[in-house]
Amino acid sequence: DSGVTQTPKHLITATGQRVTLRCSPRSGDLSVYWYQQSLDQGLQFLIQYYNGEERAKGNILERFSAQQFPDLHSELNLSSLELGDSALYFCASSGGFQSPLHFGNGTRLTVT
Amino acid sequence: KNEVEQSPQNLTAQEGEFITINCSYSVGISALHWLQQHPGGGIVSLFMLSSGKKKHGRLIATINIQEKHSSLHITASHPRDSAVYICAVPLSNFGNEKLTFGTGTRLTIIP
Repeated sequence: DSGVTQTPKHLITATGQRVTLRCSPRSGDLSVYWYQQSLDQGLQFLIQYYNGEERAKGNILERFSAQQFPDLHSELNLSSLELGDSALYFCASSGGFQSPLHFGNGTRLTVT
Repeated sequence: KNEVEQSPQNLTAQEGEFITINCSYSVGISALHWLQQHPGGGIVSLFMLSSGKKKHGRLIATINIQEKHSSLHITASHPRDSAVYICAVPLSNFGNEKLTFGTGTRLTIIP
């Protein structure tokens, strides 16, 4: 058990809808990272937060946004969903910028 | 061109065999990650290394910074080692930030 909790495990929704994915980091970890894993693009870094502030941005679409709350949990919001957004979304946390990552079990999003 | 290239893409071996998975990268890096993704989808970080060699149980990871190459070795392979192994490097001066990932090596160990 990595200590990182992601909810929900599965999400099925329709095109054009909006969903929120939630991540609770390992106790004490200040950094939270979001990744997308799709069949055609593989794993891609989306965005990183550190202690409530955006720290680094990757290949995150404008339709997607994230935030980290004072209790350090993070949410990834995906809006105007398209079929191509169907993917596994992983959250990870770490205790520092040079520390190993601890991954959650992912949220499988299916857009129909 | 991908910043991270892995080989082979697929590897099938008999139980007990010595396994080597390779990763080459094209950018200067502060660290390299080896991840394991099980058939159920979960990802586990195996190693994060910036030089030399690290060992954990039957797994060994090595890195050659000058040649921009890393290898993951599995000794005495077992069917439970069957998984996808992914190499990742940071596009940042910090070891775990802005990771870019290889496409993975799918390892199948036959009993």
